[in-house]
Amino acid sequence: GNSVTQMEGPVTLSEEAFLTINCTYTATGYPSLFWYVQYPGEGLQLLLKATKADDKGSNKGFEATYRKETTSFHLEKGSVQVSDSAVYFCALFYTGGFKTIFGAGTRLFVKA
Amino acid sequence: DTAVSQTPKYLVTQMGNDKSIKCEQNLGHDTMYWYKQDSKKFLKIMFSYNNKELIINETVPNRFSPKSPDKAHLNLHINSLELGDSAVYFCASSQGERYEQYFGPGTRLTVT
Repeated sequence: GNSVTQMEGPVTLSEEAFLTINCTYTATGYPSLFWYVQYPGEGLQLLLKATKADDKGSNKGFEATYRKETTSFHLEKGSVQVSDSAVYFCALFYTGGFKTIFGAGTRLFVKA
Repeated sequence: DTAVSQTPKYLVTQMGNDKSIKCEQNLGHDTMYWYKQDSKKFLKIMFSYNNKELIINETVPNRFSPKSPDKAHLNLHINSLELGDSAVYFCASSQGERYEQYFGPGTRLTVT
């Protein structure tokens, strides 16, 4: 079936370190892919998205590239800040199911 | 103006009680959702409405009943509350199922 697998957290980094959060998916057809971020005490908000193979989504210094050959959508940031501490969710939408499937979330802690 | 709002933000109640959570969106979206997030941050879709019509009804106890009086509102009523219902409940909306979702701030339900 369709699914999203994220790397388990928590991920703990020092400020200005490089971030990668892995996300792989299983889906039929050509799903749309998303990264959402949830800051403490808040709801999820869209961070970036990509709708077709080789698309790169980017926002606030974060990037992710839709790789169909490896069925991946890894999230990267070159230099994290303390304010990036949050839970990050990878998600996909596939037309056949009419719903978005979320990964389990990866908690990121950034230390000053 | 808040895009997706939920009331109340916190709800503490005893087992066996009946409670409701309200959700309103002012984005003009045609699709609304209810999610349950557990203590490990795992997000589970419960219901989805498109133009006031129920399109997703996941395996949720029938003690949970959504109601959509119009496209801008989706309420969640829960009967005979149980300890396991304690969680954060998020409302979300989108313009069509395939596009990004906008989440409310969440309602933290505690059943004692």
